[in-house]
Amino acid sequence: GNSVTQMEGPVTLSEEAFLTINCTYTATGYPSLFWYVQYPGEGLQLLLKATKADDKGSNKGFEATYRKETTSFHLEKGSVQVSDSAVYFCALSDPGGSYIPTFGRGTSLIVHP
Amino acid sequence: DAGVIQSPRHEVTEMGQEVTLRCKPISGHDYLFWYRQTMMRGLELLIYFNNNVPIDDSGMPEDRFSAKMPNASFSTLKIQPSEPRDSAVYFCASSRTSGATNEKLFFGSGTQLSVL
Repeated sequence: GNSVTQMEGPVTLSEEAFLTINCTYTATGYPSLFWYVQYPGEGLQLLLKATKADDKGSNKGFEATYRKETTSFHLEKGSVQVSDSAVYFCALSDPGGSYIPTFGRGTSLIVHP
Repeated sequence: DAGVIQSPRHEVTEMGQEVTLRCKPISGHDYLFWYRQTMMRGLELLIYFNNNVPIDDSGMPEDRFSAKMPNASFSTLKIQPSEPRDSAVYFCASSRTSGATNEKLFFGSGTQLSVL
């Protein structure tokens, strides 16, 4: 079946530090990959996505590249801000699974001034 | 667009009581999802509907949980009787089939349920 594995948090960084949150996946087909972000007290919202191998999704300074050879979709940002503090969810959508997203457990990011 | 609207935002109840959570999806969306979020289990898909029809309820934890979607603009998740282990944040999400995908989910702000 499909699954998504994320690094456990919390990830604690100082402002302007470099961020990497690891995500690997298992899928039976050729999935689309996503990062969702959940700010405190809110629901999840789509941050970025990539639909095929070697695609790079980007938004708000965050980037992730679809690596089929390593089945990974790591989230990166060159310089984090306090406002980036949130929970980040990696997800996949598999055509073989009616496109219903499968979510990872989420990784909490805490950015200190 | 107002987004996905959930009510109430917070619910505190006593064990054994019935709890009803409500959701209004985004107009024009044909998929509706109910999720539960806990520290222990993360984000769990409970059930989802397509065009108001329940498609997969395999994530519903037990018979105490039920969900309905009487029309395209309203859904409920009911817990009867409630138990302390049901305490969690419950999210509703909706999406629209676009071509071959319905990948982008729009989430509501959630209902924080506390069962004492």
